Amino acid sequence: DAGVIQSPRHEVTEMGQEVTLRCKPISGHDYLFWYRQTMMRGLELLIYFNNNVPIDDSGMPEDRFSAKMPNASFSTLKIQPSEPRDSAVYFCASSSGAGGQETQYFGPGTRLLVL
Amino acid sequence: AQSVTQLDSQVPVFEEAPVELRCNYSSSVSVYLFWYVQYPNQGLQLLLKYLSGSTLVKGINGFEAEFNKSQTSFHLRKPSVHISDTAEYFCAVNAGGTSYGKLTFGQGTILTVHP
Repeated sequence: DAGVIQSPRHEVTEMGQEVTLRCKPISGHDYLFWYRQTMMRGLELLIYFNNNVPIDDSGMPEDRFSAKMPNASFSTLKIQPSEPRDSAVYFCASSSGAGGQETQYFGPGTRLLVL
Repeated sequence: AQSVTQLDSQVPVFEEAPVELRCNYSSSVSVYLFWYVQYPNQGLQLLLKYLSGSTLVKGINGFEAEFNKSQTSFHLRKPSVHISDTAEYFCAVNAGGTSYGKLTFGQGTILTVHP
């Protein structure tokens, strides 16, 4: 399997622009997670899906952030409008099941810089 | 609520020396514990996990960790490190059950192995 695929790997944009991050989970995995990593806050869970349905979005920082999973093989995280404080590395991860014991498989991340 | 504290933000060590990365957790329920490693410019990957049974868990790349319930600790050890072990290491806890696979991560420990 190719693992979790994220695109783009790097994104530089200007404040106020819309940013869309993309993720393809591992085939057969039914849970998908979006994380944000910054120096100040470490690794934070933003939202996760089970069978394409959002289960917990309590980590989404504000209304400027939205996430969708239209099918089992694709998810997006959108920021509109973007702000400099959104600069971070965004990771997507997937797992098979989520009883707590399962390994989460992470993508390589998208490094976002908002100027 | 669950939380994770990694007691050292940075650990420098010489090649072939032993290393211990410390992790303490707090949770009101039984937990599952994980160590993930992040190499530069990559996503996280699982080193090892404790689910139940033997408190000594062996992982990849010669790492092992010991679960100590009375001290609520899950320290990671390796008897002899290599240059290639230079990376950031994250301890994580999952309370299972209705947490639906939510991982709470520590702040990370940067291990730097010097020749």
